[in-house]
Amino acid sequence: EIVLTQSPATLSLSPGERAIFSCRASQSVGSYLAWYQQKPGQAPRLLIYDASNRATGIPARFSGSGSGTDFTLTISSLEPEDFAVYYCQQRTNWPTFGGGTTVEIK
Amino acid sequence: QVQLVQSGAEVKKPGSSVKVSCKASGGTFSSHAISWVRQAPGQGHEWMGGIIPLFGTPNYAQNFQGRVTIIADESTSTAYMELSSLRSEDTAVYYCARDMGLLRFSYYMDVWGQGTTVTVSS
Repeated sequence: EIVLTQSPATLSLSPGERAIFSCRASQSVGSYLAWYQQKPGQAPRLLIYDASNRATGIPARFSGSGSGTDFTLTISSLEPEDFAVYYCQQRTNWPTFGGGTTVEIK
Repeated sequence: QVQLVQSGAEVKKPGSSVKVSCKASGGTFSSHAISWVRQAPGQGHEWMGGIIPLFGTPNYAQNFQGRVTIIADESTSTAYMELSSLRSEDTAVYYCARDMGLLRFSYYMDVWGQGTTVTVSS
């Protein structure tokens, strides 16, 4: 099983700041990595797939990069609605998810 | 725009089974896989398995082989997930989700149901 490790566990930031999330895989997943946003009481929302492709309707402030074992999600300028938990997910063999990074209001 | 609506919360005894439904509306049901993902309290997400309704053959995660059954009814655009031999660790929110891929598993899930809380308690 491929293990995804996300860091940091929590980000404390203010609206307008840049948020950078990290996801590291226990072995190479190529570019087969997605990012999701989840708010309390809601289902996950797909943001990025294949490491860098934005899903339909996702604003341009969200961007993804990386390949192999190291991946990054960047929110260029945090909006109030972006404070949530972010998860990475790989799709090699079968899907596994990271433990998540919470971005909270500073 | 496709929507997935799941059945309501369940409370089950250890050793019993639970069956959760997921009804699709507003889009094409048969050609996209439906996956099931669960999230236990304070835990991460686990992919349990999925099915492409047009083909009907399910694809199960190793961790759930032998305990989970996933089926799809094209006539009602509804997918079902049944989990048997329930134990307290199966207490979780269970989600169905549509796969982005057409007639294949991409394992990227772009439309999700609202989630169904399953509580296993004696």
